[in-house]
Amino acid sequence: GQNIDQPTEMTATEGAIVQINCTYQTSGFNGLFWYQQHAGEAPTFLSYNVLDGLEEKGRFSSFLSRSKGYSYLLLKELQMKDSASYLCALTTDSWGKLQFGAGTQVVVTP
Amino acid sequence: GAVVSQHPSRVICKSGTSVKIECRSLDFQATTMFWYRQFPKQSLMLMATSNEGSKATYEQGVEKDKFLINHASLTLSTLTVTSAHPEDSSFYICSAREIGQSAQETQYFGPGTRLLVL
Repeated sequence: GQNIDQPTEMTATEGAIVQINCTYQTSGFNGLFWYQQHAGEAPTFLSYNVLDGLEEKGRFSSFLSRSKGYSYLLLKELQMKDSASYLCALTTDSWGKLQFGAGTQVVVTP
Repeated sequence: GAVVSQHPSRVICKSGTSVKIECRSLDFQATTMFWYRQFPKQSLMLMATSNEGSKATYEQGVEKDKFLINHASLTLSTLTVTSAHPEDSSFYICSAREIGQSAQETQYFGPGTRLLVL
């Protein structure tokens, strides 16, 4: 099995930067995803990392270190609409099954 | 492109009845669909992997006789919650991976179905 840890909640002000960390322990690794989920809605895909390093996509960047079992999602120039839960998820098998962390609730304040 | 729909979006039923939830890939074919469940303020928990034309693979602790999954075509998977009880009240979400995509490719999520069992 796997153990995925991320902070429960983070608060930041509009325009600021927030970094959400995700640590994991797993017996197999086939990639790490970040999803955004607004309350009552399905998750939407943000990023995917399978190799070490930084992936940048607009205001969102994701970093992975496989040797450390560590990833982070960086949100820049925060907007009020970024208030949501951010889910770290691992895929460890050839089917692509996702195992999700508990999610980090980001609250953006004016 | 890559739209996944679910029907119904919301259902309220009496305890003991069965509820069927449909998951459709609208503009692509999906050999593999996944069913997740999410309780309030918790993360998504994978229930089962549904493969077209074969039996679903259930995660540990998920009763296959209670949560019946049928993946009859490349665009449709159904989840039937049999003899539903209040503890089955949850947000059920499906996702689909397009045929030909590798396991690492992103999955497309449906909008979810909120089930309330009275």
